[in-house]
Amino acid sequence: DVKVTQSSRYLVKRTGEKVFLECVQDMDHENMFWYRQDPGLGLRLIYFSYDVKMKEKGDIPEGYSVSREKKERFSLILESASTNQTSMYLCASSPLGEQFFGPGTRLTVL
Amino acid sequence: DQQVKQNSPSLSVQEGRISILNCDYTNSMFDYFLWYKKYPAEGPTFLISISSIKDKNEDGRFTVFLNKSAKHLSLHIVPSQPGDSAVYFCAASGGSNYKLTFGKGTLLTVNP
Repeated sequence: DVKVTQSSRYLVKRTGEKVFLECVQDMDHENMFWYRQDPGLGLRLIYFSYDVKMKEKGDIPEGYSVSREKKERFSLILESASTNQTSMYLCASSPLGEQFFGPGTRLTVL
Repeated sequence: DQQVKQNSPSLSVQEGRISILNCDYTNSMFDYFLWYKKYPAEGPTFLISISSIKDKNEDGRFTVFLNKSAKHLSLHIVPSQPGDSAVYFCAASGGSNYKLTFGKGTLLTVNP
């Protein structure tokens, strides 16, 4: 079974803090993705990566950056957290087509 | 501009009856469509997919229908069970692009 793990299920941070969200997949997938899910807005793509050290902006990259130093690990970074970044963050990996999701991180920024 | 639309935010059905969830898309380049199911506080899980070369795909209680001329797909769940209560997301991708574009989701409630 494909396993995608995320470093935290729940996280509370203060405005202005730097936040790291980690995602690890164990299926040697080329592609990895970060989404956020908000009520009434569905899943919105923040960034994705199709290879080590490669990244592309998704639909809502502002306020975020990413890092992919190893194939299995994809990190999402909030340089200076703001309250409007309170959300459910979902990581996914994919060979092609179907994406496999992690359990999500519920981030609250106070 | 929403390329994948799920116009019903919610749907309520009785246990044992059919649930029909609908999805419309606007991008003619989309050629692969997926349905995901999501419970609260969990990541989405893949349910079923369909390629544009087909008009129907079936997996147990779940059937997806694709009408390319209308740019419409639907997910049928028969019979519906209380455990099917979740948010269902429609997603689409096109060509060599492995990105998925998601709809906003439909909350299905199956009442015992």
